[in-house]
Amino acid sequence: DSGVTQTPKHLITATGQRVTLRCSPRSGDLSVYWYQQSLDQGLQFLIQYYNGEERAKGNILERFSAQQFPDLHSELNLSSLELGDSALYFCASSADAGTGGDEQYFGPGTRLTVT
Amino acid sequence: DAKTTQPTSMDCAEGRAANLPCNHSTISGNEYVYWYRQIHSQGPQYIIHGLKNNETNEMASLIITEDRKSSTLILPHATLRDTAVYYCIVRVATGGFKTIFGAGTRLFVKA
Repeated sequence: DSGVTQTPKHLITATGQRVTLRCSPRSGDLSVYWYQQSLDQGLQFLIQYYNGEERAKGNILERFSAQQFPDLHSELNLSSLELGDSALYFCASSADAGTGGDEQYFGPGTRLTVT
Repeated sequence: DAKTTQPTSMDCAEGRAANLPCNHSTISGNEYVYWYRQIHSQGPQYIIHGLKNNETNEMASLIITEDRKSSTLILPHATLRDTAVYYCIVRVATGGFKTIFGAGTRLFVKA
């Protein structure tokens, strides 16, 4: 158990819909990362938040958005869903304390299926 | 962030050491080498990281060459449960930098 929780575990929705994925980081971790992993594909970095502020951006579509709240949990919003958005979405957290070496701990993921 | 090159797949006999290589010839002086693994569709699991010295923890050892252009992850006594995709990543330790996962090495541990 990494200490990172994600809800829901599974989500099935239709094209054109909007969903919200939630992530709670490990206690004390200030950074949250979102990744997308399509079937048989590698992990694609989407976005990083640090203490409520966006810190790094990857290949995140304009239809996707994220935020990190004052209690440090994060939400990834996916809108106007397409079949190609079906994937595993992982959240990770790290301390990002600037102390040298900053490992990320991943949650179990949310499996999104768009039909 | 620097790119890494890893073999697509490797086999290892159960109980033997698994040595997984990674090339990162364009690594910068402030970039760390991290190793993660992903078992089936579970969330990736952090294994170990290092800057320039060799590192060891309860899971594995990390050997980084003196010029830092390559590294090797060593699982000393591989078990069937170590069958997974292993990712080598180089990244500045903290701050706003993308984390780039490549295709990784698919390690098959065989009985």
